[in-house]
Amino acid sequence: SYVLTQPPSVSVAPGQTARITCGGNNIGSKSVHWYQQKPGQAPVVVVYDDSDRPSGIPERFSGSNSGNTATLTISRVEAGDEADYYCQVWASSSDHPIFGGGTKLTVL
Amino acid sequence: QVQLVQSGSELKKPGASVKVSCKTSGYTFSSYAMNWLRQAPGQGLEWMGWINTNTRNPSYAQGFTGRFVFSLDTSVSTAYLQITSLKAEDTAVYYCARRMAAAGTWWFDPWGQGTLVTVSS
Repeated sequence: SYVLTQPPSVSVAPGQTARITCGGNNIGSKSVHWYQQKPGQAPVVVVYDDSDRPSGIPERFSGSNSGNTATLTISRVEAGDEADYYCQVWASSSDHPIFGGGTKLTVL
Repeated sequence: QVQLVQSGSELKKPGASVKVSCKTSGYTFSSYAMNWLRQAPGQGLEWMGWINTNTRNPSYAQGFTGRFVFSLDTSVSTAYLQITSLKAEDTAVYYCARRMAAAGTWWFDPWGQGTLVTVSS
């Protein structure tokens, strides 16, 4: 079955750029969605379909997807961005979603 | 605005049943599939399956057949998750989530706030 691999943790200083990766076999051929989950809260989609942002999500959040890696980029990181981030694709062959294991973003 | 509001936390004994509700507002209930997901303590997200809000036909992911039942009350735009014969390993936060679609892909937006189900003797 298809597997999405995320680093368990990423650390970044305030004001810097955080990049969270999501690896998968030829993931560039799929659409990738990213969720932010703050402690004690439900996940919120921050990027969908590789690089689209829902209304209300700051432009600091952006996504890209090519080859075997999709990337969520958070520019000018703020303390409030500290959260777990999950990538997700839809496995068309089995018609179900697949989630990455999640990445904990720590703002130093 | 679109909202999914779930019922409150539950503490149940092993072998009991629980029914979680997910009341929706701000959109046409029958226009979007409703999905259920689970997050065990300290773990990642796990998809349980979905229910077609037009046909009421449920579809369960592997590992969620038999004891898990998805249902609807379209008159109040509410989805339900019932779990029977509860086990300690069912302890988790359960989320409902509206499924969004575009050109061959699907994602979840928004999510309910989650319902913590604790199974303990």
